[in-house]
Amino acid sequence: DGGITQSPKYLFRKEGQNVTLSCEQNLNHDAMYWYRQDPGQGLRLIYYSQIVNDFQKGDIAEGYSVSREKKESFPLTVTSAQKNPTAFYLCASSTGQGAFYEQYFGPGTRLTVT
Amino acid sequence: GENVEQHPSTLSVQEGDSAVIKCTYSDSASNYFPWYKQELGKRPQLIIDIRSNVGEKKDQRIAVTLNKTAKHFSLHITETQPEDSAVYFCAGGGSNYKLTFGKGTLLTVNP
Repeated sequence: DGGITQSPKYLFRKEGQNVTLSCEQNLNHDAMYWYRQDPGQGLRLIYYSQIVNDFQKGDIAEGYSVSREKKESFPLTVTSAQKNPTAFYLCASSTGQGAFYEQYFGPGTRLTVT
Repeated sequence: GENVEQHPSTLSVQEGDSAVIKCTYSDSASNYFPWYKQELGKRPQLIIDIRSNVGEKKDQRIAVTLNKTAKHFSLHITETQPEDSAVYFCAGGGSNYKLTFGKGTLLTVNP
């Protein structure tokens, strides 16, 4: 289970505030991903990055932003433009580019916005 | 884009019985189909995957079958045990190297 960490485990914010979720991995993985998990909705891809300094929008990128300045880090910012930000956020990483490999997930951050 | 449908959403079986979860996908270019297990309060973990050049793959009590023509794939768990109780997610991925997940199946194995 080790190797990919997310912090904090629980996060509370007021509506209208931006918030940044941390994701760090020491697995030397090239690719990193952010998913949102809502009850009954499965895992929905927000953003993904296959290499440092490059990232692509997933299926629900509106209201979110990311950066990939270092191989081991892929922070996600939930902006005030995200209409329904309360959710469980999962970060994942996988080795290699240009192919599918196992995605290793972090423990998740539960964000509550009131 | 890819659309992955997963059925059933809940499945209850008796210990020792088999469980089958089915998924369909829409993008004929998809070529990678993993299955993840998420126990309550834990992170998803890969249990088995299959690529489009293979029709079936087995790992002990778990097997996955893929029908590319019909665009569906299934997870089979034999001799179920209480520790198999979890949410199972299927996913499909293609040339853009992103995965699209199904909505999940809550499997309950009753002792």
